[in-house]
Amino acid sequence: SQQGEEDPQALSIQEGENATMNCSYKTSINNLQWYRQNSGRGLVHLILIRSNEREKHSGRLRVTLDTSKKSSSLLITASRAADTASYFCATDSGNTPLVFGKGTRLSVIA
Amino acid sequence: DAGITQSPRHKVTETGTPVTLRCHQTENHRYMYWYRQDPGHGLRLIHYSYGVKDTDKGEVSDGYSVSRSKTEDFLLTLESATSSQTSVYFCATVGGTDRNYGYTFGSGTRLTVV
Repeated sequence: SQQGEEDPQALSIQEGENATMNCSYKTSINNLQWYRQNSGRGLVHLILIRSNEREKHSGRLRVTLDTSKKSSSLLITASRAADTASYFCATDSGNTPLVFGKGTRLSVIA
Repeated sequence: DAGITQSPRHKVTETGTPVTLRCHQTENHRYMYWYRQDPGHGLRLIHYSYGVKDTDKGEVSDGYSVSRSKTEDFLLTLESATSSQTSVYFCATVGGTDRNYGYTFGSGTRLTVV
């Protein structure tokens, strides 16, 4: 069963715009992670945010976590065509393997 | 990623035949995982390992078995392949004692059961 659910399922934006993806989950978590997957490739880890953190930055990525709402958002600023990919959130509820959502497909149009 | 290799990359097999997929890592990571990815389902955990000869079932383990006789190798076996096992299979590893790190994924094996 999916723990995280991303929203929207698909997103299309122009190069230079910001892209925001959301993730909602159901149970308490230890940490939440975001991954990117380019077509035909494996997933690549982007960022991890712990349950006691509210915001984290990495380059053009900004992740927020609201444990009271059981939700997280991934913001990609000044998007580029190379950001075109699927993005997945994944949650860890302690001593358990990551549970992944179904992903958001992002298309950045040049 | 150079530290984790999956083989084969592509395979077509017939219904009812046994199939073994291999995951090889050079990172000396303790934890290893097998996921399958299907349209509309995202990634689902099949089996995982927390050490040599230590494995456990995931969400969709029926029809699959695993073995880990060495730290670096984690094998996934479909005892008798069915069409519902047509999927892309990903192996992943993670280092660290508390697993508060990102997973490293292999490039995947695309399996087609005809």
